[in-house]
Amino acid sequence: DVKVTQSSRYLVKRTGEKVFLECVQDMDHENMFWYRQDPGLGLRLIYFSYDVKMKEKGDIPEGYSVSREKKERFSLILESASTNQTSMYLCASSLCVEWRGGGEQFFGPGTRLTVL
Amino acid sequence: EDKVVQSPLSLVVHEGDTVTLNCSYEVTNFRSLLWYKQEKKAPTFLFMLTSSGIEKKSGRLSSILDKKELFSILNITATQTGDSAVYLCAVEAGSGSEKLVFGKGTKLTVNP
Repeated sequence: DVKVTQSSRYLVKRTGEKVFLECVQDMDHENMFWYRQDPGLGLRLIYFSYDVKMKEKGDIPEGYSVSREKKERFSLILESASTNQTSMYLCASSLCVEWRGGGEQFFGPGTRLTVL
Repeated sequence: EDKVVQSPLSLVVHEGDTVTLNCSYEVTNFRSLLWYKQEKKAPTFLFMLTSSGIEKKSGRLSSILDKKELFSILNITATQTGDSAVYLCAVEAGSGSEKLVFGKGTKLTVNP
């Protein structure tokens, strides 16, 4: 079974703090993704990565950066947390199958981040 | 801009009812459409559809895709309280990337 783990289930930080959210997958997937999920807005893509050291902006990258130094690990960084970044953050991974794209994404359990 | 619209946004039914959830999309270079179920935690995969008219089925859940009319439906028959969840529809639009565009979800509540 694919397993995607996230470093924390709940996190409380103060405005201005630097925040690291870690995601690890154990299935050798090429693709990894960071989303945030907010009521009424659904899942929105922040950043994704096809390969080690590769990253692409999603729909809402402002205020975030990412790091992918190893294939299994994809980190989301909030350089200076703000209250509007309070949200549920979900990490996902998928296998790259060239003829059909990535297809099914496997999700981690999520990190509920509160910024005070 | 790629767009996925789900309807209804929420639905309340009684156990035993049959429900149909809708997903329409406007994307460039469609590759696949996926359905997920999300309870209180991470979304879990239900179906991936790539071809029109071929029904995918898993127990009481089934789904079908219409690539001409650009929509998909998810049917749940004989609903149970454990079916209560948010159902997410996502479309993979191929432009060299494997990212998914998600709809806002349909919140289904099944009352005993």
